[in-house]
Amino acid sequence: AQTVTQSQPEMSVQEAETVTLSCTYDTSESNYYLFWYKQPPSRQMILVIRQEAYKQQNATENRFSVNFQKAAKSFSLKISDSQLGDTAMYFCAFKGQGAQKLVFGQGTRLTINP
Amino acid sequence: DAGVIQSPRHEVTEMGQEVTLRCKPISGHNSLFWYRQTMMRGLELLIYFNNNVPIDDSGMPEDRFSAKMPNASFSTLKIQPSEPRDSAVYFCASSFWVPGYTFGSGTRLTVV
Repeated sequence: AQTVTQSQPEMSVQEAETVTLSCTYDTSESNYYLFWYKQPPSRQMILVIRQEAYKQQNATENRFSVNFQKAAKSFSLKISDSQLGDTAMYFCAFKGQGAQKLVFGQGTRLTINP
Repeated sequence: DAGVIQSPRHEVTEMGQEVTLRCKPISGHNSLFWYRQTMMRGLELLIYFNNNVPIDDSGMPEDRFSAKMPNASFSTLKIQPSEPRDSAVYFCASSFWVPGYTFGSGTRLTVV
């Protein structure tokens, strides 16, 4: 069974700094999808960024980018120029190519301080 | 697009009572998922449907939990009887053949 591990339960940085959240996963599949979801205090789960394993190029969405290391089974999220509104729980998630189920990590609570 | 709509947003009920959570997926989405979020266990998939048919309910914790999807625009998750350990946030999500879900805002259930 696939597992997703986020080793940083909490992180805190100053506004405008860059922060990197870590995620590792375990799978025997060669094709799959990885995601980062954001859950602000409003509770809404928001898709931040998605990466297909067959793509070598790292996905980027404005200030959000990933460092996907397939051999190391690592999928970190970098937030540049962090903003107060980035304060949230961040969840890393895995989906096998033939599956529909998302497997989530335990989350990292990120606080951006003014 | 109104997104995935869940109701109620909050529910407080007494132990032993029946609880029904509701979800309206995004129009055109053919898969619907029910997740439960707790501090101890994180996000757990309870059940999911494809084209209104339940595909995998292995995450449903007990017979007290049941889910239905009578049509493409509506699903319910029912707990009968409810217990304090069922207290959690319950999310509904939908998707259409595209990896990644759209989540609803969740229902916070408190069983006292």
